[in-house]
Amino acid sequence: QMQLQESGPGLVKASETLSLTCNVSGGPVSRYYWNWVRQPPGKGLEWIGYIFYSGSTYYNPSLKSRVTISLDSSNNQFSLKLNSVTAADTAVYYCARTVPGQVWPSLDVWGKGTTVSVSS
Amino acid sequence: DIQMTQSPSSLSASIGDRVTITCRASQSISSYLNWYQHKPGGAPKLLIYGASSLQSGVPSRFSGSGSGTDFTLTISSLQPEDFAAYSCQQSYSTPYTFGQGTKLEIK
Repeated sequence: QMQLQESGPGLVKASETLSLTCNVSGGPVSRYYWNWVRQPPGKGLEWIGYIFYSGSTYYNPSLKSRVTISLDSSNNQFSLKLNSVTAADTAVYYCARTVPGQVWPSLDVWGKGTTVSVSS
Repeated sequence: DIQMTQSPSSLSASIGDRVTITCRASQSISSYLNWYQHKPGGAPKLLIYGASSLQSGVPSRFSGSGSGTDFTLTISSLQPEDFAAYSCQQSYSTPYTFGQGTKLEIK
């Protein structure tokens, strides 16, 4: 069974770049869409974007100018970079999988999340 | 973007109760509606996809209904492990969007 685990610094300074990695175990990163989702304190979930195993990406327009999602097939992982962070980027960040070709796309496997705080 | 509005934002209920959570989309999303359960420190769990299809391994006390703009998640008889947060999500169009969540607490 596929498992995902997020990793990265728990504290990032304002104006710097947040970098997170999602390690995929129990299966290859190929053939899936790989998503990043976040949840700020006291707020709902926000979808950040995805990368397909082919390398194509889609980013939430609200974050598009600051986000890069990349795939590292050799290490079976994918990454998120969010630059010019502010306090509003403080959140729990999750990685999640979408199976391509489904009639009803969903996020069917998730990591446990990692908390990132932005300090001023 | 499609806005998803969930209600209630919090709910107190007892073991054995029947509970319903609603989700409304700002435009028609057909049946492109998913429900998730999440607990503090844990991975969110897909419960329902396509508005009414039960994800493999999810207990049958969970059910979903609706299409177009109005959807419901029902738990037929609450169990202790069901006290958690629940979120709806539309996958009709990108950017995917979520409801603000419903926190289900023990009465």
